[in-house]
Amino acid sequence: AQSVSQHNHHVILSEAASLELGCNYSYGGTVNLFWYVQYPGQHLQLLLKYFSGDPLVKGIKGFEAEFIKSKFSFNLRKPSVQWSDTAEYFCAVTPAGRDDKIIFGKGTRLHILP
Amino acid sequence: EAGVAQSPRYKIIEKRQSVAFWCNPISGHATLYWYQQILGQGPKLLIQFQNNGVVDDSQLPKDRFSAERLKGVDSTLKIQPAKLEDSAVYLCASSQPGFSGGYTFGSGTRLTVV
Repeated sequence: AQSVSQHNHHVILSEAASLELGCNYSYGGTVNLFWYVQYPGQHLQLLLKYFSGDPLVKGIKGFEAEFIKSKFSFNLRKPSVQWSDTAEYFCAVTPAGRDDKIIFGKGTRLHILP
Repeated sequence: EAGVAQSPRYKIIEKRQSVAFWCNPISGHATLYWYQQILGQGPKLLIQFQNNGVVDDSQLPKDRFSAERLKGVDSTLKIQPAKLEDSAVYLCASSQPGFSGGYTFGSGTRLTVV
């Protein structure tokens, strides 16, 4: 069965710092990968997704993620964070080509200092 | 488009009481999911419906949890009797067949069992 591991549980950065959140998955086949964000008091929202093609995926609000198949990784990046990026970020995976359940990582809580 | 609607937003009950949560997915979304998100963890799938049929309920504690989607539209998740460890946010999500856009999540119901 597939699983997702997020390396950092809690990250604290100052505004304008660069961000990279680690995500590794475990699955033997082709996968679809996602990053979801949950702002304080709000519901989960899709930040970006990878299905196929260019392994560098751009999402909303300046976020991007790179799929490295050989490393089973899908790290999330942002060159310069803002205070409004304070949220919890979840990496998720599902087998490709199937309308199937998403497996989530445990999440990384990001706190941006103004 | 209207989002995934869930009610109530908050619920506090005593252990051994029963509780029910309601979800109305996005119109036309055949697949509906219930997730449980315990504080500090990622969402865990409880049950997946395709129209009014159950696709996956392998992680649903069937001795106390039940869910139905009788007409293939809205869904109800019930816990009877509740335990302290059921305190969590219960998320409903829906998706279109073919999984092209990822899930759309509702705002969730925060359950506290005392």
